[in-house]
Amino acid sequence: AQSVAQPEDQVNVAEGNPLTVKCTYSVSGNPYLFWYVQYPNRGLQFLLKYITGDNLVKGSYGFEAEFNKSQTSFHLKKPSALVSDSALYFCAVRDSVSSGSARQLTFGSGTQLTVLP
Amino acid sequence: DAGVIQSPRHEVTEMGQEVTLRCKPISGHDYLFWYRQTMMRGLELLIYFNNNVPIDDSGMPEDRFSAKMPNASFSTLKIQPSEPRDSAVYFCASSPTGGSFYGYTFGSGTRLTVV
Repeated sequence: AQSVAQPEDQVNVAEGNPLTVKCTYSVSGNPYLFWYVQYPNRGLQFLLKYITGDNLVKGSYGFEAEFNKSQTSFHLKKPSALVSDSALYFCAVRDSVSSGSARQLTFGSGTQLTVLP
Repeated sequence: DAGVIQSPRHEVTEMGQEVTLRCKPISGHDYLFWYRQTMMRGLELLIYFNNNVPIDDSGMPEDRFSAKMPNASFSTLKIQPSEPRDSAVYFCASSPTGGSFYGYTFGSGTRLTVV
């Protein structure tokens, strides 16, 4: 079975500082990994994904994520945080070898990022 | 494309009443998902369809919940009778074939309050 964990419910960072939102996963085969962002009163929006290739993936709004197979992690990062980055962030995973219902994405519990001015 | 469209955006109803939530997926998307989001339980997958056919409804909390997809451009999630514990934000999402490769597109959600 596939699973994903976001160990931090809340992350606070000062504006201009680098930010990291953590995500670890568990799959049988190779993972497909995604990050989504949810702003207040909005649906989830796609940020970036890792399917294969370069371990550093660049996405929207200056975000990037690093795939680390040995640590089974896919942490979201940004070099300089903005107040407008404050939102709820979700990591999601799918196992490349699964079938049936397991072919669908499994979402983490979400991490609330607050960027302080 | 207007994206995934959900209606209504907000719904307030009294306990025991029937509630119907609506979703129009992106044209050409084969998969449609219904999620529920609460502070306590986070984001939960309720049911998903492929080519209008329900594939997995194991997340539907109980028989009071039902979902239909009569055609490729419309789906409903119905709660009858509604209870206060059903209060949540309900999201619809759609994706093309191979969607977990491309990712999902979410609607803006329906905030349901049952009083």
